[in-house]
This record gives sequence, structure tokens and C-alpha cells, in this order.
Amino acid sequence: SQQGEEDPQALSIQEGENATMNCSYKTSINNLQWYRQNSGRGLVHLILIRSNEREKHSGRLRVTLDTSKKSSSLLITASRAADTASYFCATDGMFSGGYNKLIFGAGTRLAVHP
Amino acid sequence: SQTIHQWPATLVQPVGSPLSLECTVEGTSNPNLYWYRQAAGRGLQLLFYSVGIGQISSEVPQNLSASRPQDRQFILSSKKLLLSDSGFYLCAWALSDTQYFGPGTRLTVL
Repeated sequence: SQQGEEDPQALSIQEGENATMNCSYKTSINNLQWYRQNSGRGLVHLILIRSNEREKHSGRLRVTLDTSKKSSSLLITASRAADTASYFCATDGMFSGGYNKLIFGAGTRLAVHP
Repeated sequence: SQTIHQWPATLVQPVGSPLSLECTVEGTSNPNLYWYRQAAGRGLQLLFYSVGIGQISSEVPQNLSASRPQDRQFILSSKKLLLSDSGFYLCAWALSDTQYFGPGTRLTVL
């Protein structure tokens, strides 16, 4: 079942602009992660934010988490053409056997034009 | 450092043929291993996960099976492929909360 829902589904911007993607989820979480996928490639982990954190930075990336609204946002500042990719949020869940798993949303497709 | 390999990178198979996709991880021990399928333009669907050799759990009923014959080897198989098995298959490993993905295998069933 899908836990995270990204918004918008697609985003098109010019180089130098900021890109903001949002993720909403339904149940309580321990952490939320953002991943990036270039076309036809595997996913690359970007950042993990824990439920007791409100904001986290990594280079040009800024992630916020609002557990009261069950939502997160990923901001990419000063975007570059190389940022063109799909971005997924993933929330932690629990297998029936008690092991951790990730539940991915459908992703936001970001296109950055030179 | 850890690396994860998948092969083949692409595969075109006829309906009814068998399938074997392989995933190997280097540089770590006793990782959790995962197989996902991704339909075009969609998110990831978890197919199988494994917490140790010979320990396989399935998230959804399907035409596929998985095996873990060695600590760092994870194999996805099918005896008879269906058209609906087409997709992008991703293997991932994890020791804690973060998962690290392989490059994927693009499977087309004709």
C-alpha cells in the first residue's frame, strides 16, 4: 500500500530557480527519507529526517517535516539542469515479521531547463 | 565501501520463459536485501525482502519467487513469465533505516 503521496506529480523550472516538492503520509512514522532517481537508473538516498526533527539541510537540499500535518517538503535551491530527475519520499513501516520496510510514493518528476 | 550489482541491465524475454535476475552486494555483511518492481512513471512496489540466508518474505502474491543462497546474493526468479511481469526491477540493501539501490534491470516480456 502507498503511504507517501508526492505533490506535484511533475514540475518544470528554469536553472537557478528553487524547486519545492511535497510529500504527505497517512500514519505515524519514525523517519522519512527522500530519494532521487535519474531516468532508467537506481534510486539514490538524499536525506533522512527523524520524527523528532523539523528541518534538515544537506548542501542545496532543505527538508522539513511537520508530523502534526503528516507532511514533508524537499526544497532544492539554485537548481541545475543536472537536478533533473524523479524524487521520491519514503516512510518507514513495519513488516508483519517485525522488520522495518520503506513505503515509497509515486514521485515528483522534476525537469530543470538550461 | 559498499557496492551493489545487478545483472543483466536489460532483458527481453518471451511470455512463458523462465527468469533469473541476480543481485550481489560487496563490502558489508548480513545486510537486509530487497527486490522492488517499478512500473513506468510510478513508485516502487516491494516484492520480497530477506533478513538472512534462506529467509525470504513476500509482500504480494505473484508469479515471482526469490532466493538468498549466500549472505550477499539475492536472486529473483520465475518459472513462466507473464506480460504483466514487465518492468524495472531494483535490488536494494540496508543495515539500518537507509536503503541503497542497485542500477536496476529493465525487463520486457513480449
